[in-house]
Amino acid sequence: DAMVIQNPRYQVTQFGKPVTLSCSQTLNHNVMYWYQQKSSQAPKLLFHYYDKDFNNEADTPDNFQSRRPNTSFCFLDIRSPGLGDAAMYLCATSRDSGGASTDTQYFGPGTRLTVL
Amino acid sequence: QKEVEQDPGPLSVPEGAIVSLNCTYSNSAFQYFMWYRQYSRKGPELLMYTYSSGNKEDGRFTAQVDKSSKYISLFIRDSQPSDSATYLCAMTPGTASKLTFGTGTRLQVTL
Repeated sequence: DAMVIQNPRYQVTQFGKPVTLSCSQTLNHNVMYWYQQKSSQAPKLLFHYYDKDFNNEADTPDNFQSRRPNTSFCFLDIRSPGLGDAAMYLCATSRDSGGASTDTQYFGPGTRLTVL
Repeated sequence: QKEVEQDPGPLSVPEGAIVSLNCTYSNSAFQYFMWYRQYSRKGPELLMYTYSSGNKEDGRFTAQVDKSSKYISLFIRDSQPSDSATYLCAMTPGTASKLTFGTGTRLQVTL
């Protein structure tokens, strides 16, 4: 089945220790997104890639970086995690950003990050 | 004021009940409206998708959009324990891929 896969599902890191979260997709979608979702809050878009074009949200901290080496994979790097970065990180894909009918976003299961 | 407001619940109903979930929004540019269902420790999955005002029905689920009131609803008929999840509304102007989500309403359907 075509899908969005996130690894690991649970990640524990120490305060200030860099961490990388991984997302892969078999949908062959052009667009990939990273969201941060804290408990009982709406998913917050951090950035997205349209193909290789990187689009950063204005309020995304510099501590968060992303890489997309190819169509299938996208990584979220947190350079110096703080306690406030503990959250669920969701990866999503969509086929194209050209029209809403193709804007349906398909989410992975998420990676729950704990910062000690 | 948040762009999208959604009652966080939790909402607890008995099996078989009709459930009404709602969101209000302030941005009149929103044209496309979605409902996502999120089970515990899982990512959201698209449940319903509606353009502009009107109703859309899919099985036990009906989505309503009233753009004049900036109000959207999701109705679940004959609710089942398997419907227990958090329901997130989301919306977009349609000119870009960015979705604006509500905070979600947690629904519990009891036997």
